[in-house]
Formats: sequence, structure tokens, C-alpha cells
Amino acid sequence: NAGVTQTPKFQVLKTGQSMTLQCAQDMNHEYMSWYRQDPGMGLRLIHYSVGAGITDQGEVPNGYNVSRSTTEDFPLRLLSAAPSQTSVYFCASRKRESSYNSPLHFGNGTRLTVT
Amino acid sequence: GDSVTQMEGPVTLSEEAFLTINCTYTATGYPSLFWYVQYPGEGLQLLLKATKADDKGSNKGFEATYRKETTSFHLEKGSVQVSDSAVYFCALINTGGFKTIFGAGTRLFVKA
Repeated sequence: NAGVTQTPKFQVLKTGQSMTLQCAQDMNHEYMSWYRQDPGMGLRLIHYSVGAGITDQGEVPNGYNVSRSTTEDFPLRLLSAAPSQTSVYFCASRKRESSYNSPLHFGNGTRLTVT
Repeated sequence: GDSVTQMEGPVTLSEEAFLTINCTYTATGYPSLFWYVQYPGEGLQLLLKATKADDKGSNKGFEATYRKETTSFHLEKGSVQVSDSAVYFCALINTGGFKTIFGAGTRLFVKA
């Protein structure tokens, strides 16, 4: 099983550029989410989705867009990159049934630098 | 809102020392509690979990007990190894919720 696959692993952007971080899972998980990890701040939820066609905002959604057209894919779009978006981004998924005790499965992350 | 507080790191121990990483939470209702571990260059992976009061989660020699009276879920290991060096995250999901709430993480260094 591939699990959760994120691409790219590393990316450098200039301020104002746009890009899409890709996330795909092959476990048929209904729930998918994006987190950013910054030193001393743990993981903060950006956006999440409980199924195809359904998305919602997390704790820090500004500057990011998501869509969920299939169960497998959950891309994260940065429309106009800013230095404050320099971070490590993680995609995570889990089963929806018995959701409150089902653990998250993480990808290996995308390290983004905005100059 | 719900929150998780962990002891600040880094924690530096010698091999075979006893480990405790403190975790306390604030939540309404009856959350499920988790410990995740992150090795360098990787994503987080589940270490152990507990879903109700007095449950003990355990894995790879690590243990944590869900203490509702003290709203705590402290991580312990009797004898750490160099390979345990990583960042450890305490987390919760509240009943009926979709969001996992994470603590800030505690970095552990184990010296040979």
C-alpha cells in the first residue's frame, strides 16, 4: 500500500507565485485534511474534507484553497504565495466511520519556502 | 475550544533512562486521546491511543493512561533507546468531531 502520497517533497516559490500541493490516498478514506507545521506551534489545520464534494475551513485557512472531486485526491492551492506561508505541509486521511477514535495517516510532507 | 498542552522540549536523555512526556488537555465531552511520533524527514505516525477514561494505550514499550480526573495522558517508557529520538505529539479528537487537535510537540534526544 502506498498510503498517503504527497508531491512535491520540496518547493521554492517567489512571493506572488501560485502552486498546487498534491495529495493522494489509496485507502478509500472519506476524511482528508491539510496541516501546516511550524516550529513551536505544532500542527495547525488548514482545510479538511469529509467526502467528495465537501470541504470546510480549519484553523488557518486564509491564503489557501482546496477542492475534493474524488475520494482519492485532495489538492491544496496557494493562489499568491507569501513568506508567511513558508512551512512544512502535511496531508492526512482517516476513515470516517467511528471517526472520533480513528487515527490519522500522514504523508511525508512538502517543505515549502517562499522568498 | 478544545486544546492540548505538552511539556516543552527538547528533552535529552541517556540510553536506558526513564522517559515521561507530560500532556494535558481541555475538552468538553469525552475525547479520544492519541500519541503520534515523527522521525526526521517523515510524517507523523500513530504511536498509541486510548478512547475512554482509565484506558491504557501501549506500543513499542511506550505507555499512556487516559486520566479523566486530571485531564492528562502522559507518555512513559521505562528504558529509551537512541532510535527513540524523534518528536512526540499528543492529540485529541472530541466525540462527534472531525478535527484532530495537536499539542506543540516535544523533541526527544537520546544519547548513546
